[in-house]
Amino acid sequence: NAGVMQNPRHLVRRRGQEARLRCSPMKGHSHVYWYRQLPEEGLKFMVYLQKENIIDESGMPKERFSAEFPKEGPSILRIQQVVRGDSAAYFCASSPQGNSDTQYFGPGTRLTVL
Amino acid sequence: SQKIEQNSEALNIQEGKTATLTCNYTNYSPAYLQWYRQDPGRGPVFLLLIRENEKEKRKERLKVTFDTTLKQSLFHITASQPADSATYLCALGAGGGNKLTFGTGTQLKVEL
Repeated sequence: NAGVMQNPRHLVRRRGQEARLRCSPMKGHSHVYWYRQLPEEGLKFMVYLQKENIIDESGMPKERFSAEFPKEGPSILRIQQVVRGDSAAYFCASSPQGNSDTQYFGPGTRLTVL
Repeated sequence: SQKIEQNSEALNIQEGKTATLTCNYTNYSPAYLQWYRQDPGRGPVFLLLIRENEKEKRKERLKVTFDTTLKQSLFHITASQPADSATYLCALGAGGGNKLTFGTGTQLKVEL
């Protein structure tokens, strides 16, 4: 039973470029969460999605960041016009249903902005 | 605002001893508390969940306590091994389908 998959594992972008991070949840899981971990800081919630719906985006920066979880395919976290401060590890987690308390994390995507 | 505190200093202990990690929180009434393990360059791995109406939970060499009056959880690893060396994160949740709020983690190092 494959776990949560994220790709790419490492992503390097220059300032002003776009970054697209992908997350495939565990089989049978329809709920996806994105978290960001800045150096020397804890994991911070960004957004919670179900298929074709954004449920909670209270942790998303107001500009440049967007997320989707289409009916088919992986969830995508998109960062437009990246800045150096966006450099971080981005983790995706999934759960089987909305009332499941446990979230299962992927290996993360490490974004470096030059 | 909600605040979760874990020992920021690394905890070094000798193999075979019991490691005890602390998680304190303020301005929060969680429905449950979870502990995760994170190794360098990897994602967090779920270890244990304890609910607000539970005092203690055990899983093999792991034990978690949860005191909602003190607003504190203790995480114990008995008979510790070098393979237990990692960063341990505590996370609070308000209920199913909700975001987790994480502490910054405590780094544990088990020495031979």
